[in-house]
Amino acid sequence: TQLLEQSPQFLSIQEGENLTVYCNSSSVFSSLQWYRQEPGEGPVLLVTVVTGGEVKKLKRLTFQFGDARKDSSLHITAAQPGDTGLYLCAGADSNYQLIWGAGTKLIIKP
Amino acid sequence: GAVVSQHPSRVICKSGTSVKIECRSLDFQATTMFWYRQFPKQSLMLMATSNEGSKATYEQGVEKDKFLINHASLTLSTLTVTSAHPEDSSFYICSARVAGTRGTQYFGPGTRLLVL
Repeated sequence: TQLLEQSPQFLSIQEGENLTVYCNSSSVFSSLQWYRQEPGEGPVLLVTVVTGGEVKKLKRLTFQFGDARKDSSLHITAAQPGDTGLYLCAGADSNYQLIWGAGTKLIIKP
Repeated sequence: GAVVSQHPSRVICKSGTSVKIECRSLDFQATTMFWYRQFPKQSLMLMATSNEGSKATYEQGVEKDKFLINHASLTLSTLTVTSAHPEDSSFYICSARVAGTRGTQYFGPGTRLLVL
């Protein structure tokens, strides 16, 4: 059974600080997705990474896929209160079924 | 981008009744859709994979006779919670997989079900 360990599970920081969320596995993924979810809403896709070593940027968010396609990170620079939410990573296995991390609840205090 | 709608957004029903939730892909065809359940402060739990024109594949522990899934067209999948009980109260979310994206799923806005 493939597992995807996401850390930290909870993070509360001040506005303007930087942070990194990690997703790690011992298995290789075909791709890895990052989602952000607000309370009472469905997850919204932020990015899909496919190639080992790939780096994608979305404004202040930087996503990296590990060289071996087993791990990924999300780095937020100068966090803002609007970044508050639940961040979920999900790796696609060889059948393109998603394996989900436990989620990171992020709170940015003004 | 790919848009998925879900209806209703909220439903309150009496114990013993059945509730149908619709999931539609609005601007693309989805041969595969997924139904998830999410408990408070937790990640998503896959209930079943819905394949257009064939029977759904249920995850271990999910009762297929209680959670009926129909995927009759390339843009619509439905989940019917039969004889709902208070323990079925939850947040149900559907998603659709876009072909050629190596597994990327786009999600609906979710349905909050409360069974009294």
